[in-house]
Amino acid sequence: DSGVTQTPKHLITATGQRVTLRCSPRSGDLSVYWYQQSLDQGLQFLIQYYNGEERAKGNILERFSAQQFPDLHSELNLSSLELGDSALYFCASSPRSITGPYNEQFFGPGTRLTVL
Amino acid sequence: EDQVTQSPEALRLQEGESSSLNCSYTVSGLRGLFWYRQDPGKGPEFLFTLYSAGEEKEKERLKATLTKKESFLHITAPKPEDSATYLCAVQAYAGGTSYGKLTFGQGTILTVHP
Repeated sequence: DSGVTQTPKHLITATGQRVTLRCSPRSGDLSVYWYQQSLDQGLQFLIQYYNGEERAKGNILERFSAQQFPDLHSELNLSSLELGDSALYFCASSPRSITGPYNEQFFGPGTRLTVL
Repeated sequence: EDQVTQSPEALRLQEGESSSLNCSYTVSGLRGLFWYRQDPGKGPEFLFTLYSAGEEKEKERLKATLTKKESFLHITAPKPEDSATYLCAVQAYAGGTSYGKLTFGQGTILTVHP
């Protein structure tokens, strides 16, 4: 158990719908990352937050958005869902400060999203 | 653009048969190279971080090494419970600031038969 929690574990929805994925980082970790894993693309970085502020963005679609709240939990919002959005979505957290090096990231168990 | 290539895509070993997994990378400035283990349907589990060429780290039957262009994950006398997908990732410096983004390879699927 990495200490990172994600809910829900599974999500089945229809095209055009909107869903919210939730992540709680390890105690004390200020950085949260979101990744998408699909069979053809592998693990792809989406976005990073540090202490409530966006720090880096990957190839995240405009239909996707995220935020990190004052209690450090994070939510990933996916809207206007398409069949191709079906994937595993992972959250990770890291203990390093914004002025120091970022080291290992600890991953949660993931949310499996199925869009029908 | 940062790139990570892992080989082989799949590796089948007999229990006790040692081997190595390869991770080749291209990055503008390497902040760190990471190895993870992932079981089916689970999140990646952190194994090692390597920061500079020549560095080595060990954990049980696993040993990771790093050169300027590639990293190897050596598995000594593997057991069936070592069966998993092994992922390599790089973290790069960006404009003098170290961002946390990891760029992953496609992974090597390791199967160890008893």
